[in-house]
Amino acid sequence: SAVISQKPSRDICQRGTSLTIQCQVDSQVTMMFWYRQQPGQSLTLIATANQGSEATYESGFVIDKFPISRPNLTFSTLTVSNMSPEDSSIYLCSVAGPTESNYGYTFGSGTRLTVV
Amino acid sequence: GENVEQHPSTLSVQEGDSAVIKCTYSDSASNYFPWYKQELGKGPQLIIDIRSNVGEKKDQRIAVTLNKTAKHFSLHITETQPEDSAVYFCAASRTKAAGNKLTFGGGTRVLVKP
Repeated sequence: SAVISQKPSRDICQRGTSLTIQCQVDSQVTMMFWYRQQPGQSLTLIATANQGSEATYESGFVIDKFPISRPNLTFSTLTVSNMSPEDSSIYLCSVAGPTESNYGYTFGSGTRLTVV
Repeated sequence: GENVEQHPSTLSVQEGDSAVIKCTYSDSASNYFPWYKQELGKGPQLIIDIRSNVGEKKDQRIAVTLNKTAKHFSLHITETQPEDSAVYFCAASRTKAAGNKLTFGGGTRVLVKP
């Protein structure tokens, strides 16, 4: 399966600031996904990062708050903008394999964000 | 959209016993059902998955069963060990390769007591 490197692994940020999370994959993948996992909760999809086009956001998530870049087939960033304590969560990058026969959906180790 | 319900939310078992986690889904077009294990401080790890053309799949101590008619699927862990303690998530999507999004269940916290 794909290997995902996610940075930073954790951060403590002041409210009102922004944090950019990086996701690097060891192989080219068509689709990359960003999830949020609030403390003790399940995973909620924020958006799908498409190479060469704008990201597709899920209901309740907007580009101004969570801008996403996808400059190539192995890299994406998620920015959490104008942070408030409610943004304290784990943010996870995920990729889907290019074919039915391999990979499945693989997740990075996540970025644990605390907003104070 | 898809809705996935997972039960129980917590499960405590004695080492060596079996653990069963059940999920139901709402979208009859879903045809890919993975299970993930998440240990503290880590991202979810795929442990087993099943596609809708298969009723059961087994990998050593882990098995998954799927009932498409009833729209439910289950994870079975036999001979549980302390290292099986983690949070387990079920999920559903329409197709894996097309990159359709995964919808997750609420998670089950499994504690295996030595």
